[in-house]
Amino acid sequence: GAGVSQSPRYKVTKRGQDVALRCDPISGHVSLYWYRQALGQGPEFLTYFNYEAQQDKSGLPNDRFSAERPEGSISTLTIQRTEQRDSAMYRCASSLASDRPGVGNTIYFGEGSWLTVV
Amino acid sequence: AQSVTQLGSHVSVSEGALVLLRCNYSSSVPPYLFWYVQYPNQGLQLLLKYTSAATLVKGINGFEAEFKKSETSFHLTKPSAHMSDAAEYFCAVTKNRDDKIIFGKGTRLHILP
Repeated sequence: GAGVSQSPRYKVTKRGQDVALRCDPISGHVSLYWYRQALGQGPEFLTYFNYEAQQDKSGLPNDRFSAERPEGSISTLTIQRTEQRDSAMYRCASSLASDRPGVGNTIYFGEGSWLTVV
Repeated sequence: AQSVTQLGSHVSVSEGALVLLRCNYSSSVPPYLFWYVQYPNQGLQLLLKYTSAATLVKGINGFEAEFKKSETSFHLTKPSAHMSDAAEYFCAVTKNRDDKIIFGKGTRLHILP
């Protein structure tokens, strides 16, 4: 697509429910990133993929958080048994190449998915 | 570990005045530095990036930033503010061989008429 597309844009869920956030990267982009941004904070790295392989998941807060990108394109970030502290904007981004994407290749961000846990 | 500190969560300048948004970094190796901008209801957009080619980096919309190793700074400037510059600005850093980009907390720029 023309840009990184995320859905849903807004999600309100009850505490304890599972949620799945979807990211459709720019067509042909190899690397895909997930960030979380709380109010008044900068984006916080969660995890990233090159193709379908998860390269780094060190930013995932705990084992309730998981991500997958089974065919190297669309990715899903899943949060199980949601808690109020999970409320934040979840941002997806993609870049063209896998080689040092943070340096040599521009990262393009989607508009984000706002998650509110009540 | 890499980190960035943005001084001032809110900055207000008059239209036509100089814009100066401050960013200081901490890095154990020569860093790569970025400024991103977030307009209301939009995603983050890259303004400019420093990759050691030149210390003064020019970006989009008339913004530029200067890498000063002695001061560990990468401040963002624009000579004359425009109303359309009102947005939130994020400074970010990554290591040479580290793909993770670490963001600062952001500075919201307000433009006064």
